[in-house]
Amino acid sequence: ETGVTQTPRHLVMGMTNKKSLKCEQHLGHNAMYWYKQSAKKPLELMFVYNFKEQTENNSVPSRFSPECPNSSHLFLHLHTLQPEDSALYLCASSLTSGADQTQYFGPGTRLLVL
Amino acid sequence: QKEVEQNSGPLSVPEGAIASLNCTYSDRGSQSFFWYRQYSGKSPELIMFIYSNGDKEDGRFTAQLNKASQYVSLLIRDSQPSDSATYLCAVNMKSGGSNYKLTFGKGTLLTVNP
Repeated sequence: ETGVTQTPRHLVMGMTNKKSLKCEQHLGHNAMYWYKQSAKKPLELMFVYNFKEQTENNSVPSRFSPECPNSSHLFLHLHTLQPEDSALYLCASSLTSGADQTQYFGPGTRLLVL
Repeated sequence: QKEVEQNSGPLSVPEGAIASLNCTYSDRGSQSFFWYRQYSGKSPELIMFIYSNGDKEDGRFTAQLNKASQYVSLLIRDSQPSDSATYLCAVNMKSGGSNYKLTFGKGTLLTVNP
């Protein structure tokens, strides 16, 4: 595997379900990110992890819970989601989280909440 | 609110023409600027980044940066139908302390007509 991978690629869940999204980067990067992309809206940054430590939580509802066990893996745990949470969830990574960060994206997980 | 503005388009150009995509940003202290291409249903793919005022060329793509005017653009020479996609401008902005975050515009939809 190369680059940034995400699983699953598609997910349908009910509002009472609990599921997790997984991201893995094979680039030797130290920073990882979760973004949400909804139709007609810019990419929204959700969380930033730098060397496994969370450095940014962009006022994300608690029904989204991130986990970063090491610099290569990032999870997004989902519970009691709402239909408006249906979107493309993108993971990205970069070597640093500083001023010159260059982010590379995974293929995304398309989530549908019923 | 720190923002990145792009004309949403669609921008339509004939095959072989030059496509010009524009972006303005609000944070005068921004240091790094990125262009991503996103095909429908896919994740963003990095095309170019630029840090210094002036032009940076890579194949058929040229990024132009004018920090005084807070303006960054992307020129695509000899446009091909395969260039048809949404182009996202992203600007690295300070988010507090030593942290930075990438702020994205809504994207410009480019259509290259054969």
